Amino acid sequence: DTGVSQDPRHKITKRGQNVTFRCDPISEHNRLYWYRQTLGQGPEFLTYFQNEAQLEKSRLLSDRFSAERPKGSFSTLEIQRTEQGDSAMYLCASSIGQRSYEQYFGPGTRLTVT
Amino acid sequence: GENVEQHPSTLSVQEGDSAVIKCTYSDSASNYFPWYKQELGKRPQLIIDIRSNVGEKKDQRIAVTLNKTAKHFSLHITETQPEDSAVYFCAASMLAGGTSYGKLTFGQGTILTVHP
Repeated sequence: DTGVSQDPRHKITKRGQNVTFRCDPISEHNRLYWYRQTLGQGPEFLTYFQNEAQLEKSRLLSDRFSAERPKGSFSTLEIQRTEQGDSAMYLCASSIGQRSYEQYFGPGTRLTVT
Repeated sequence: GENVEQHPSTLSVQEGDSAVIKCTYSDSASNYFPWYKQELGKRPQLIIDIRSNVGEKKDQRIAVTLNKTAKHFSLHITETQPEDSAVYFCAASMLAGGTSYGKLTFGQGTILTVHP
């Protein structure tokens, strides 16, 4: 499968625990985006990287959230001290070069905080 | 920041009919407008997009129109089929020199149901 992949696909955690998600973009895609989608809503932008540089962060990304893309390939999104309001689908997308506006999404990680 | 409003929230049509979904945006600097289709439990998939230098774009049964003055754009699906049933999202973004500034701002989504 040459598409965007995310791991895990589902995560159930207890409130207060830390969780980490991984996204592997399409090979050679230099841009990587994180979005959050709650039931019945469109995806909301969280942050994006160009190569290893984090270029923009949404105000939605509180200090409990951190994202990294250390080698410009895969990315991780960590949520510390999870809250029930963090329950959502976390989507990753990637794009490349001159067609960087075409974002291709992964299957998402569904987080449930109990 | 950009705000995108999408209507209707649900749309039910008979197979073979046309479906139209409308979106408005607030930031006049936005110049790239993609549409995504999301089937239940699956990832959003880009189905068509339009840039602000054109007013209409068509791909088989799907077309998108853009009115920059009014700041609204629409998705038109003709000859609908049951497999068109899904949630459709519009989005807006800003490009400069062909390079995206990054984020997409999505509408709230439209649940399209095509009855056989």
